[in-house]
Amino acid sequence: EAQVTQNPRYLITVTGKKLTVTCSQNMNHEYMSWYRQDPGLGLRQIYYSMNVEVTDKGDVPEGYKVSRKEKRNFPLILESPSPNQTSLYFCASSLSSPRGAEAFFGQGTRLTVV
Amino acid sequence: GQNIDQPTEMTATEGAIVQINCTYQTSGFNGLFWYQQHAGEAPTFLSYNVLDGLEEKGRFSSFLSRSKGYSYLLLKELQMKDSASYLCAVSGRGFKTIFGAGTRLFVKA
Repeated sequence: EAQVTQNPRYLITVTGKKLTVTCSQNMNHEYMSWYRQDPGLGLRQIYYSMNVEVTDKGDVPEGYKVSRKEKRNFPLILESPSPNQTSLYFCASSLSSPRGAEAFFGQGTRLTVV
Repeated sequence: GQNIDQPTEMTATEGAIVQINCTYQTSGFNGLFWYQQHAGEAPTFLSYNVLDGLEEKGRFSSFLSRSKGYSYLLLKELQMKDSASYLCAVSGRGFKTIFGAGTRLFVKA
């Protein structure tokens, strides 16, 4: 089954404790991205990747890092999480760039930083 | 700046037709998407427009006017399961995607 898999689905952590949210897709998609979703603000793009070893900042990259060492995986790293990073996070992938290619979303990771 | 506006909430009756509007101002334009998102779930793709005009797909249609920076999603023969948020998104300059805040649609019997 074609899918985007995120882990974990739920996470509660403390301020400053490094964490990684994993994202994997099995569709051989080139383009992957991370979003956060907050009430009233919609989805905001954090980082995106056009292909292996090619990443770029979205609209809200501060406090996040990503890597794309393999085509299927695109982990999101929070080196020192803070409470303002409490949010619902989605990973998405599409066949090529978002120009005309629909995005497939993972099931989301609800992160709480206390 | 870049901005996408859509109504926060709408209510419609089962069996009726509803139109959800979206206006946008973005740096560059490479197409407009509509996604559906049920509460607690991931967004799912509904439609894509890159040229002016109407795209029809079953009960859902999407319209685009690039000169006006305007799109709408039309839902016909509303069903209770259509109660969800509808997200308008624009592929802009480079490879960024910008989403609106979403429109929560409530379908009542």
